[in-house]
Amino acid sequence: SQKIEQNSEALNIQEGKTATLTCNYTNYSPAYLQWYRQDPGRGPVFLLLIRENEKEKRKERLKVTFDTTLKQSLFHITASQPADSATYLCALDPSGAGSYQLTFGKGTKLSVIP
Amino acid sequence: DADVTQTPRNRITKTGKRIMLECSQTKGHDRMYWYRQDPGLGLQLIYYSFDVKDINKGEISDGYSVSRQAQAKFSLSLESAIPNQTALYFCATSDTGAGETQYFGPGTRLLVL
Repeated sequence: SQKIEQNSEALNIQEGKTATLTCNYTNYSPAYLQWYRQDPGRGPVFLLLIRENEKEKRKERLKVTFDTTLKQSLFHITASQPADSATYLCALDPSGAGSYQLTFGKGTKLSVIP
Repeated sequence: DADVTQTPRNRITKTGKRIMLECSQTKGHDRMYWYRQDPGLGLQLIYYSFDVKDINKGEISDGYSVSRQAQAKFSLSLESAIPNQTALYFCATSDTGAGETQYFGPGTRLLVL
């Protein structure tokens, strides 16, 4: 069966450290993968998109990697701050044909401790 | 002003009632989506529309219907609400082209008693 899994429901890290969140998938061949941030009671907000032919993407303190062999994406936040505390969702296109739908993981709740 | 708005933001209703959730967008996007989010289950796609004349079922469409009144408006109806439809509902939009990001509304919190 097709699955998209985020490594843990919750992750606690100390301020200033690098947070690493994992997204694994099985029985998908996505053309791209996206990461979103969701704050409590709010809609998800897009952060980064990485395509199957890209190994790494960066945006300010954020970095995403995409390993289609391992079927895994890693999401890194460097020099983490309490304001980075949120739930982070990964999403991929389930058809692999560059479709316009997204399948979302359940998310990882990140808490950055001052 | 917000690009994607949803009304109402909160709604309490009783089993068997018909209710409508509305979504409007000013982003000029053709594609619109309705999701529900339950604790521990993540976002699940209910319906999506690629333009006014194109509406498609998502993974959990049973018990729901939609109407795309215009490019900017996409409403979700629960014809006869039941308690397990209690959830947080999100509308989203995206531009044309594969891989386009989705822009979400603020959500509607629905409680069915």
